[in-house]
Amino acid sequence: GNSVTQMEGPVTLSEEAFLTINCTYTATGYPSLFWYVQYPGEGLQLLLKATKADDKGSNKGFEATYRKETTSFHLEKGSVQVSDSAVYFCALASGGTSYGKLTFGQGTILTVHP
Amino acid sequence: DTEVTQTPKHLVMGMTNKKSLKCEQHMGHRAMYWYKQKAKKPPELMFVYSYEKLSINESVPSRFSPECPNSSLLNLHLHALQPEDSALYLCASSQLDRKRGEQFFGPGTRLTVL
Repeated sequence: GNSVTQMEGPVTLSEEAFLTINCTYTATGYPSLFWYVQYPGEGLQLLLKATKADDKGSNKGFEATYRKETTSFHLEKGSVQVSDSAVYFCALASGGTSYGKLTFGQGTILTVHP
Repeated sequence: DTEVTQTPKHLVMGMTNKKSLKCEQHMGHRAMYWYKQKAKKPPELMFVYSYEKLSINESVPSRFSPECPNSSLLNLHLHALQPEDSALYLCASSQLDRKRGEQFFGPGTRLTVL
């Protein structure tokens, strides 16, 4: 079956530091890959996505590249801000259905200090 | 309108109460979802509706009863819940297509069962 593995958290950084959150997946076929972010007390927001190999998703300074050869979709940001403190979920959608059942990673808690 | 709305934001209920959670979207999505999320964990899929018909029930106890009155609305009826059902309940919607588009999440209803 499908699975997503994220790096263990929590991750604590100082403002303006470089961020990497690792994500690897196992899936049949060619899944779509997503990063969702959840700020405290809120629902999930789509941060970025990639639907095929070598696609790069980007949004709000965050980037992730769909690497089929390493089955990875690592999230990066060059300079984090305090406002980036949140929980980040890597997810994939695959399977024969047309509505893409999501498989989530366990989530990585990011805390950014001033 | 790219928003999924959920009401109420917070709900406290006793184990003998009957209550309902409501979800609405106006993006023309024909797939709608209910998830349950415990603190610091990824969302767990409960139900999926496609074209207003129940497509997936992830072995959810019968004290949770979903309903999809039309293509924009999704309800979750609650009856005789247990304290362990306390969680954040998230609604989501998505397009129905082979590109496996992303799911759009609402802000959630935080449920406390006393």
